[in-house]
Amino acid sequence: AQKITQTQPGMFVQEKEAVTLDCTYDTSDQSYGLFWYKQPSSGEMIFLIYQGSYDEQNATEGRYSLNFQKARKSANLVISASQLGDSAMYFCAMRVEDGGSQGNLIFGKGTKLSVKP
Amino acid sequence: NAGVTQTPKFRVLKTGQSMTLLCAQDMNHEYMYWYRQDPGMGLRLIHYSVGEGTTAKGEVPDGYNVSRLKKQNFLLGLESAAPSQTSVYFCASSWGGGGRTDTQYFGPGTRLTVL
Repeated sequence: AQKITQTQPGMFVQEKEAVTLDCTYDTSDQSYGLFWYKQPSSGEMIFLIYQGSYDEQNATEGRYSLNFQKARKSANLVISASQLGDSAMYFCAMRVEDGGSQGNLIFGKGTKLSVKP
Repeated sequence: NAGVTQTPKFRVLKTGQSMTLLCAQDMNHEYMYWYRQDPGMGLRLIHYSVGEGTTAKGEVPDGYNVSRLKKQNFLLGLESAAPSQTSVYFCASSWGGGGRTDTQYFGPGTRLTVL
């Protein structure tokens, strides 16, 4: 069975500094995708970044990057130059991907990030 | 292009009442999903659909039913609401092919309280 673990219930970061949100995953499948979503206080789920298990390079999307360490089964989200608007809940998720079919997203419990001015 | 919409946004029910949540998407996605989110928890999958006329159970299906009569709509029903079903419900859709471009797009959520 797949499982996502986010060990940091809450994190604080100073504005303009970088922050790393931890995510470890457990799966016996070889082909899978890893996702990060942001949920601001308004409640919507916003997709941030995706990493495929066979991708050789770490994914980057603007100020977001995913530090993918396959052997350690970790997929940490790095936010550079934090902004006040980055204050939100962040969820790591995983999906098994097997050719033309795919599994469903499994979510972690989330990390609440607070950016201090 | 509205993306994924959910109706209603808020609802209060009494124990034993029934209701239907409506999800609509205008992206021609094949896959649709219903999740619930409880405090301190991530999202948990209730039911999903891989195409018009199909439905399947997710992680927490008990007490819910779904229907996908039209490709763009996915309905979630509670036949006899219980306080344990107090939650925020999210609908999502995706095209279903896997990979980088196959991300799930979420609706704004429905906050349901069962008294």
